[in-house]
Amino acid sequence: GEQVEQLPSILRVQERSSASINCTYENSASNYFPWYKQEPGENPKLIIDIRSNMERKQIQGLIVLLDKKAKRFSLHITDTQPADSAMYFCAASEGNAYKVIFGKGTHLHVLP
Amino acid sequence: GGIITQTPKFLIGQEGQKLTLKCQQNFNHDTMYWYRQDSGKGLRLIYYSITENDLQKGDLSEGYDASREKKSSFSLTVTSAQKNEMAVFLCASSLLGGHAEQFFGPGTRLTVL
Repeated sequence: GEQVEQLPSILRVQERSSASINCTYENSASNYFPWYKQEPGENPKLIIDIRSNMERKQIQGLIVLLDKKAKRFSLHITDTQPADSAMYFCAASEGNAYKVIFGKGTHLHVLP
Repeated sequence: GGIITQTPKFLIGQEGQKLTLKCQQNFNHDTMYWYRQDSGKGLRLIYYSITENDLQKGDLSEGYDASREKKSSFSLTVTSAQKNEMAVFLCASSLLGGHAEQFFGPGTRLTVL
């Protein structure tokens, strides 16, 4: 089946620095790219998403970039805080209108 | 707002046992999903349902059955639990299928002895 590759699998950054997570997808028909944050013991929650008619979206300290030619999208967290420590999943819609394919996740550790 | 509930929260089974997990949502969403979460493997789709009485297989459907008895509920059955299996099963729902936010339940943690 189609894949979404997500890197890195583990990311350690110092507090107040930036963190970047990168994902690539296969299906050129994909047009919706959500990012979910999962804190320990909790369920995943949507933090930001981008559609294919945009190249950049920002919500406070979260920035998502989309490069449709390269089939690549990324999440950038600026001014990281310990509360940003969590698992992050990227996803891409499939050609099928009902499914998204998730990446394997990035475990972000923000060190004080 | 709405909520998704999953029962049970923890499920302990024996090898070969048939086990059923339940999910309820009050968002009035048409599309519902079952995912399996294993450490280091992200979220893998087992089954999804576009509407009441509809069932669609995901990439990981072998060894599972599902049932969408009504719009608000979606059940998953492990047909024969595998020894030493451990995973979290997450239920989700969405208003617009794969083009909008999915809301996740708290999960059912399965352990097979």
